[in-house]
Amino acid sequence: QQPVQSPQAVILREGEDAVINCSSSKALYSVHWYRQKHGEAPVFLMILLKGGEQKGHEKISASFNEKKQQSSLYLTASQLSYSGTYFCGTPYIKAAGNKLTFGGGTRVLVKP
Amino acid sequence: EAQVTQNPRYLITVTGKKLTVTCSQNMNHEYMSWYRQDPGLGLRQIYYSMNVEVTDKGDVPEGYKVSRKEKRNFPLILESPSPNQTSLYFCASRARGLAGSYEQYFGPGTRLTVT
Repeated sequence: QQPVQSPQAVILREGEDAVINCSSSKALYSVHWYRQKHGEAPVFLMILLKGGEQKGHEKISASFNEKKQQSSLYLTASQLSYSGTYFCGTPYIKAAGNKLTFGGGTRVLVKP
Repeated sequence: EAQVTQNPRYLITVTGKKLTVTCSQNMNHEYMSWYRQDPGLGLRQIYYSMNVEVTDKGDVPEGYKVSRKEKRNFPLILESPSPNQTSLYFCASRARGLAGSYEQYFGPGTRLTVT
């Protein structure tokens, strides 16, 4: 039931772009994205909801394809501060409280 | 400042010695969760709580207990810790609402080592 993220790791030069994908075998109505820096707690980036609503980070964009059960996070013109591990999270059951399941993570390293 | 706090931040203990990791939030959130993070496995939910006295199992509940007697606190209890519970633990909270529609706030983490 865990969503699958790809790639597992990516190395970028500052200013380059990257895409992180998150796919699920089950129907989704929302996808969360979080970033975790080494030794720190995950920090909320954004939520994408069914129907196109999006809440979150102003400088990082994402897409949500409900039919394909996929979401993609776009790191555009990457900055050094974008380094970290990115997790997508998906709630599989609407009314099941706070049951959010996370993918295995994508490690991103942005070099000068 | 809105935050989730956990204590202790680091803990080294021995097999079988009961321990409690505390979690507290000051945002009046109804929902709270515990996760463990292991290399290559991401974040896995241990238990969650939808409100006071309402808790349910997550994906990896074996060997753990929780209680929710107050809205702000959600302690994680390991009655008889074993080495396979060595991990990084995160507490999280969010506001009430449709599951998945509200961001989660994570605590700073507790690194537990069981020898």
